[in-house]
Amino acid sequence: SQQGEEDPQALSIQEGENATMNCSYKTSINNLQWYRQNSGRGLVHLILIRSNEREKHSGRLRVTLDTSKKSSSLLITASRAADTASYFCATDSAGGTSYGKLTFGQGTILTVHP
Amino acid sequence: GAGVSQSPSNKVTEKGKDVELRCDPISGHTALYWYRQSLGQGLEFLIYFQGNSAPDKSGLPSDRFSAERTGGSVSTLTIQRTQQEDSAVYLCASSLPYNEQFFGPGTRLTVL
Repeated sequence: SQQGEEDPQALSIQEGENATMNCSYKTSINNLQWYRQNSGRGLVHLILIRSNEREKHSGRLRVTLDTSKKSSSLLITASRAADTASYFCATDSAGGTSYGKLTFGQGTILTVHP
Repeated sequence: GAGVSQSPSNKVTEKGKDVELRCDPISGHTALYWYRQSLGQGLEFLIYFQGNSAPDKSGLPSDRFSAERTGGSVSTLTIQRTQQEDSAVYLCASSLPYNEQFFGPGTRLTVL
């Protein structure tokens, strides 16, 4: 089952603009991870944010986490055509017996036009 | 260092045949995961190995699916009597405990 819901499902922007993608989830989490996927193959890890963190940065990426609203956002600043990809959030749910089992959202397809 | 590798990259098989998919994790990563990605179901967890603990098989869709991890390193996912609905990209990932997962390029399985 999909824990995360992402919006928008698709986002089309011009190079240089910022892109914001949102992810909502249902259960308490240990951490939330964002991934990028090109051409339907391997996933590239972008950022991991833990449940006790509120914001993390990596280069042009900024991730926020609001555990009270069970939501996260990924901001890509000054986008480039090479950022065109599908972006997924994945949650590592708290509790249970397996730490690390990720549940993925359906993803946001980002298209950056040159 | 080397990332997660998977083989084969593509596999076409006939309905009813068995297939084996291989994953080589990043050296030193004690956790190994299998996921699959299909158009209808998105990305789904299948099975998780952590060190010498019993694997978490809660995501395996049927008893036709099984996986092994030998010597705490290489893993093999076996699908017996393949069905057309098994067609998907099978992704392997590895990690250190409680850290980000690094994914391999996947195996695209097509069942005719």
